[in-house]
Amino acid sequence: DVKVTQSSRYLVKRTGEKVFLECVQDMDHENMFWYRQDPGLGLRLIYFSYDVKMKEKGDIPEGYSVSREKKERFSLILESASTNQTSMYLCASSPTGADTQYFGPGTRLTVL
Amino acid sequence: SQQGEEDPQALSIQEGENATMNCSYKTSINNLQWYRQNSGRGLVHLILIRSNEREKHSGRLRVTLDTSKKSSSLLITASRAADTASYFCALDSNYQLIWGAGTKLIIKP
Repeated sequence: DVKVTQSSRYLVKRTGEKVFLECVQDMDHENMFWYRQDPGLGLRLIYFSYDVKMKEKGDIPEGYSVSREKKERFSLILESASTNQTSMYLCASSPTGADTQYFGPGTRLTVL
Repeated sequence: SQQGEEDPQALSIQEGENATMNCSYKTSINNLQWYRQNSGRGLVHLILIRSNEREKHSGRLRVTLDTSKKSSSLLITASRAADTASYFCALDSNYQLIWGAGTKLIIKP
C-alpha cells in the first residue's frame, strides 16, 4: 500500500526558530512536493523535486528551502520561522509530475 | 489565474441525495483530477479524467469534462455520512497540478 509519512502531525515553534519538516515515501516515486494549505486558498506549491538533489521553486518559495539527499526523503526547511508561516503543510509524491499525487497526513505548524 | 475554481464553496444535503460540485478553469489542460480531504484521512485521490475524455465513473462517483466550456463536474450519488469532506479539483496544465480552493460538502443524517 502506498505510504507517505510526515515527521510530525502538530508542531509549535517560536518566531525566528529554524524548523525542519520531513517527508518520506516508500513508493520509489521520482517526484515529491511540498504544499501549504490555508483556508479559502486551496493548496499552494512551495517547492518540488523531480530527482535526488534536484529542486524547483513553486508558487510561494520565499522563506523556505528544501533538501532531497535521498530519493525517498524530502525535507522542508523554514530558516527563520515567522507567524505568517503558521499553516498546514502537506507533502506529496507522484511517479511523474502530473500523475496522481499521494499525500501525507499533513503537519499543522503554529509559529508563535 | 490558472487556478481551478470550485462551485459551490459549500454544500449541505441530506443523506441519500446526490451531490454535484463544479470546477471551472481558464487554461488548456492535460488532465483534471478530483481529490477528497477529510480530517481523518488527509487528501486522497478520487479520479483522473484526461482532456480527451468526456466522462468517467468510479463507484458512486461520476466526473464529466467539457473542454470547450473549460469546466468539470463531480457527481456523488446516494450520498453517505462518510462523504462529508472537502473536495478539490486539480488541473494538470504544464505537468504540475494547480489546485482550486475546494467545495465543503456536509451530509446531514
